Amino acid sequence: GQQVMQIPQYQHVQEGEDFTTYCNSSTTLSNIQWYKQRPGGHPVFLIQLVKSGEVKKQKRLTFQFGEAKKNSSLHITATQTTDVGTYFCYTGTASKLTFGTGTRLQVTL
Amino acid sequence: NAGVMQNPRHLVRRRGQEARLRCSPMKGHSHVYWYRQLPEEGLKFMVYLQKENIIDESGMPKERFSAEFPKEGPSILRIQQVVRGDSAAYFCASSHIRDEWNTEAFFGQGTRLTVV
Repeated sequence: GQQVMQIPQYQHVQEGEDFTTYCNSSTTLSNIQWYKQRPGGHPVFLIQLVKSGEVKKQKRLTFQFGEAKKNSSLHITATQTTDVGTYFCYTGTASKLTFGTGTRLQVTL
Repeated sequence: NAGVMQNPRHLVRRRGQEARLRCSPMKGHSHVYWYRQLPEEGLKFMVYLQKENIIDESGMPKERFSAEFPKEGPSILRIQQVVRGDSAAYFCASSHIRDEWNTEAFFGQGTRLTVV
């Protein structure tokens, strides 16, 4: 079955540093979505990527879909304490949706 | 347009009791997914339902767990004879599938089940 791995599992950064999480699949993906879950909260949709090599930006967040559509990355520039949470990639077709293992981001002053 | 509604938000059950978790999808959504999240862990897929049909239950334990999504009313995740290991946050998500390329899911706030 489809396997989606995220790395790293955990990252602790100082405020102002950059952060990147990677999502890698064993199979070609039709699309990939990214979600953020704050501590004690529920997953919130951030973005969806569909096209090979697609890059999308949301303020300090940059999302990229690999050329082979087997991996994706989320990059945060100059992290802030409000970026704390767990970032999940989420993928699959209508019949099978799979979450990545998640990357937990901790930001300290 | 209300989002995905889950209730109760918190549920405490004694070992051996039954837990019923409810999920009302967003208006117009006919696809519901249930996930379980243990503390400090990721979301684990349990079951995918459409109205009156279970599409994929590969992530749900074979015993004690069941799910339904009736024609009328919310989706129900039912756990019989709960054990301490069932303590977790259970999230429901819904989507309106337009095609296989677009499966954005909207999540409820979850039900936090504690078994004592």
